[in-house]
Amino acid sequence: KNQVEQSPQSLIILEGKNCTLQCNYTVSPFSNLRWYKQDTGRGPVSLTIMTFSENTKSNGRYTATLDADTKQSSLHITASQLSDSASYICVVSASDYKLSFGAGTTVTVRA
Amino acid sequence: DTAVSQTPKYLVTQMGNDKSIKCEQNLGHDTMYWYKQDSKKFLKIMFSYNNKELIINETVPNRFSPKSPDKAHLNLHINSLELGDSAVYFCASSRQGVTEAFFGQGTRLTVV
Repeated sequence: KNQVEQSPQSLIILEGKNCTLQCNYTVSPFSNLRWYKQDTGRGPVSLTIMTFSENTKSNGRYTATLDADTKQSSLHITASQLSDSASYICVVSASDYKLSFGAGTTVTVRA
Repeated sequence: DTAVSQTPKYLVTQMGNDKSIKCEQNLGHDTMYWYKQDSKKFLKIMFSYNNKELIINETVPNRFSPKSPDKAHLNLHINSLELGDSAVYFCASSRQGVTEAFFGQGTRLTVV
């Protein structure tokens, strides 16, 4: 069964600090992995997409990494801002385009 | 310009009622989805429609039925609502073969 597990479930950081979120998956055959950001009361919005051959990709202060051998991905947030408070969801796509969602990590940034 | 819009944003109703949630996308996408997000914020796909054909149905109770009058709309009908149906329902759309889904703002359904 295709699964996506994220950790931690939630975390609290001070404004300006960095943090890293983890995503482990068992989806096969693998096509790509996306990180979504979901603000409270809103729908998820795609941050990054990574395919099998990509190791790292950045989108502003967000940097995603992918290790396709160990089936792990991380999302690093640099110099966090209050607006980074949200849920971050790891979504892995199989070759048949079926999506497997992680449960998300809730990030709270405090001043 | 809202890409994927859902109505209503909030819906409170009694057990046993029948209700509908509407969804429209103006992105020209050919695939639309309905997701259910539970209290633990876990997103689970319910339905996927591509060119008016249902292509995914993840063991959703038959009280739930998607209706697609055209490529830009995918409405969700729910019959005989139960307490466990309380959740946030998200509509989404994508282009066929592209895995990025664009989500609506969600509909918070509360069954009392």
